[in-house]
Amino acid sequence: DTEVTQTPKHLVMGMTNKKSLKCEQHMGHRAMYWYKQKAKKPPELMFVYSYEKLSINESVPSRFSPECPNSSLLNLHLHALQPEDSALYLCASSQGFSYSHGYTFGSGTRLTVV
Amino acid sequence: GENVEQHPSTLSVQEGDSAVIKCTYSDSASNYFPWYKQELGKGPQLIIDIRSNVGEKKDQRIAVTLNKTAKHFSLHITETQPEDSAVYFCAATTDSGGYQKVTFGTGTKLQVIP
Repeated sequence: DTEVTQTPKHLVMGMTNKKSLKCEQHMGHRAMYWYKQKAKKPPELMFVYSYEKLSINESVPSRFSPECPNSSLLNLHLHALQPEDSALYLCASSQGFSYSHGYTFGSGTRLTVV
Repeated sequence: GENVEQHPSTLSVQEGDSAVIKCTYSDSASNYFPWYKQELGKGPQLIIDIRSNVGEKKDQRIAVTLNKTAKHFSLHITETQPEDSAVYFCAATTDSGGYQKVTFGTGTKLQVIP
């Protein structure tokens, strides 16, 4: 299995809703990442988990809450989002060191906040 | 921190012609340089990569070159086909405490005209 699976593919939520994005990989990768991508822009790093511990939080607002239940799963919990949070949310995984391979990205969740 | 510049931002070529995308980086600690292709509505996909101890790498119609002294690296696509149309991101990577720290370029939208 060489894929990163993200669900759901599309999500529309109101500003008072609570929802979660899910990401799963079975490649044995010990680093997992959440990225946010706006149209015509490169991916922007949000969070990094290394060996199931949060290593980086790029000053992301608390309405985004990451969780890594085990080495294969990564969640992003969403609460009280704003319309400007509408974007493509990408999950990626990798080995801890680049000597093996770069990132494997999922197909993303297209999030619309109304 | 690392800064990656990418040019051009858009590129149109006739089918069968070659396409070249250029990137520069600033941090001499970067040691791994992947290239990602992102098709509409999908996550980025790693298409080729090069390590800092290698000057050139080729995979069928795609090649990447690295000039470590000048901190330049480039993607070359020969005999372009319509399915090469996508956004391409270069990236510079450093290894950091069990994960890969990646800085993306700003992206190049390649259009191959049949």
